[in-house]
Amino acid sequence: GAVVSQHPSRVICKSGTSVKIECRSLDFQATTMFWYRQFPKQSLMLMATSNEGSKATYEQGVEKDKFLINHASLTLSTLTVTSAHPEDSSFYICSRDGLYNEQFFGPGTRLTVL
Amino acid sequence: RKEVEQDPGPFNVPEGATVAFNCTYSNSASQSFFWYRQDCRKEPKLLMSVYSSGNEDGRFTAQLNRASQYISLLIRDSKLSDSATYLCVVNLSGATNKLIFGTGTLLAVQP
Repeated sequence: GAVVSQHPSRVICKSGTSVKIECRSLDFQATTMFWYRQFPKQSLMLMATSNEGSKATYEQGVEKDKFLINHASLTLSTLTVTSAHPEDSSFYICSRDGLYNEQFFGPGTRLTVL
Repeated sequence: RKEVEQDPGPFNVPEGATVAFNCTYSNSASQSFFWYRQDCRKEPKLLMSVYSSGNEDGRFTAQLNRASQYISLLIRDSKLSDSATYLCVVNLSGATNKLIFGTGTLLAVQP
């Protein structure tokens, strides 16, 4: 069964609004979770590493003030896309670590900004 | 040069065929290797880890050549349900558990 859930699965919003995406680890306490973005016909790109109780680590080129990450508990990380614009439309996927350096992914959130 | 390179395909094969995918990676410090499967508009799902000695899981066989920085996946007796994008994934490990994804190889199994 699923080990990571995400909510919502799909969001359509107007330009300028903020969107919050939740990611939950269902079976395992996760001190670290990961946020990825995937544009059509491209590979997954890591945006940031979410650390429970501390600041997220962002990849080069990802604006931390635009993509706010909060990891307040061992089972929940949230990503907020602030002042979303059409170019932010993408498939956002979170993940948590497995036991052998693999990762398990949530079902993803498809964001469309009009 | 991309960190993980794959032939994007598509590979169109008939049911029952054997198909092989290849992947190369650029960072010799890479520690862990995986094949994931991604269906259209879905999340990636772990297919199998790849070990230096090679490993098999049913119809799927994965090989790793560290000297050549090359990974392969062999699918025997293809099924319609095998149609998906296969992602070659490398983990640098160390301080951060960071996965690097190839762009994927699209497989279409035809009836």
